Amino acid sequence: GAVVSQHPSRVICKSGTSVKIECRSLDFQATTMFWYRQFPKQSLMLMATSNEGSKATYEQGVEKDKFLINHASLTLSTLTVTSAHPEDSSFYICSARAASMNTEAFFGQGTRLTVV
Amino acid sequence: GENVEQHPSTLSVQEGDSAVIKCTYSDSASNYFPWYKQELGKRPQLIIDIRSNVGEKKDQRIAVTLNKTAKHFSLHITETQPEDSAVYFCAATWGADGLTFGKGTHLIIQP
Repeated sequence: GAVVSQHPSRVICKSGTSVKIECRSLDFQATTMFWYRQFPKQSLMLMATSNEGSKATYEQGVEKDKFLINHASLTLSTLTVTSAHPEDSSFYICSARAASMNTEAFFGQGTRLTVV
Repeated sequence: GENVEQHPSTLSVQEGDSAVIKCTYSDSASNYFPWYKQELGKRPQLIIDIRSNVGEKKDQRIAVTLNKTAKHFSLHITETQPEDSAVYFCAATWGADGLTFGKGTHLIIQP
């Protein structure tokens, strides 16, 4: 299957700082990338959908000014958590899909964010 | 939007027995239903999926059934093994949308 790489795998930051998470498709061009958040022992919740070259579409309740998403190329999308607070601590995971894929998407390894 | 309900939240079975996890969805337009297995701290791994034009799909010990009329789909694992222990998520989507996940089922295989 296709490979999606996400970095960093773990990050600890101070409250009030910003953190950038990268999601790369290594062997295919990802026209669409999705960002999910998963709290401990809970399910994955879709945060936003980004299509290359256009603005991300955010799910209801997700603050677009706090979670900045950039999908500038067909192989890279970034999620920046701005002014992070302890309640933003979570597992963030991306998935990527190529235009040729019929709905199947491949997940990155995830990023464990801890805000102290 | 889509809403996916998943049951049970925890399922404990004896090794060698079968396990069944059930999901229902709300949006009749959904046409793709994947199942993921997630081990602690790792990414979800696709184990099987089914599209709305198919009623059943099988891959070795794993099978998925879909009832479009009732809007429910189920995962069946036969001859369970210790390595099947994990959290399983069902999901649903339509077209190019993101996935809506169920809340997950913690499957425990008792030796």
